[in-house]
Amino acid sequence: SAVISQKPSRDICQRGTSLTIQCQVDSQVTMMFWYRQQPGQSLTLIATANQGSEATYESGFVIDKFPISRPNLTFSTLTVSNMSPEDSSIYLCSVSLGPPGTQYFGPGTRLLVL
Amino acid sequence: GQQVMQIPQYQHVQEGEDFTTYCNSSTTLSNIQWYKQRPGGHPVFLIQLVKSGEVKKQKRLTFQFGEAKKNSSLHITATQTTDVGTYFCAGRDDKIIFGKGTRLHILP
Repeated sequence: SAVISQKPSRDICQRGTSLTIQCQVDSQVTMMFWYRQQPGQSLTLIATANQGSEATYESGFVIDKFPISRPNLTFSTLTVSNMSPEDSSIYLCSVSLGPPGTQYFGPGTRLLVL
Repeated sequence: GQQVMQIPQYQHVQEGEDFTTYCNSSTTLSNIQWYKQRPGGHPVFLIQLVKSGEVKKQKRLTFQFGEAKKNSSLHITATQTTDVGTYFCAGRDDKIIFGKGTRLHILP
């Protein structure tokens, strides 16, 4: 398993501003993932972040809105840019370890945009 | 595109009763995973099933993967208050897709 931390744990932001979420893992991992989970809903994959290459975005998500950094094998950031109330959600990072596809999630960042 | 459907959306059971949630995929899966998310918490990996017809048990939890590798179920025997939460399946075809989850509520 992996120990994953995220900062901040929660934030309240004004529309039009940007927030950068940090994800730190206690071991080196090749792939890190960023998900969004709206209240009471399922998880939607935003993008996959590989160290040394550009992130791969899922349909409906673009780099200008959700820029991602992956400077090393234990750390990644997700920025939510030019926020609107529709961006209010829980943002989770996860890593894949052990049996292929097994994912471990961070505690999440609860974002409220006013 | 690939879809993963999960039913029921909600389930209320008396403590001690059994509970089952079902997951169906529109495509054949290479594997399926189950996660539990407690209220206010984050998803926690429970198990992964890979083989056609596979059945795995974890104490009171029984996980099944269908013969066609397109459906799966999670059955909890004699539910306890600690079982409260949302159970997600996640099917992997070319990418991983999460079901919408089944929210389990236990009545004391």
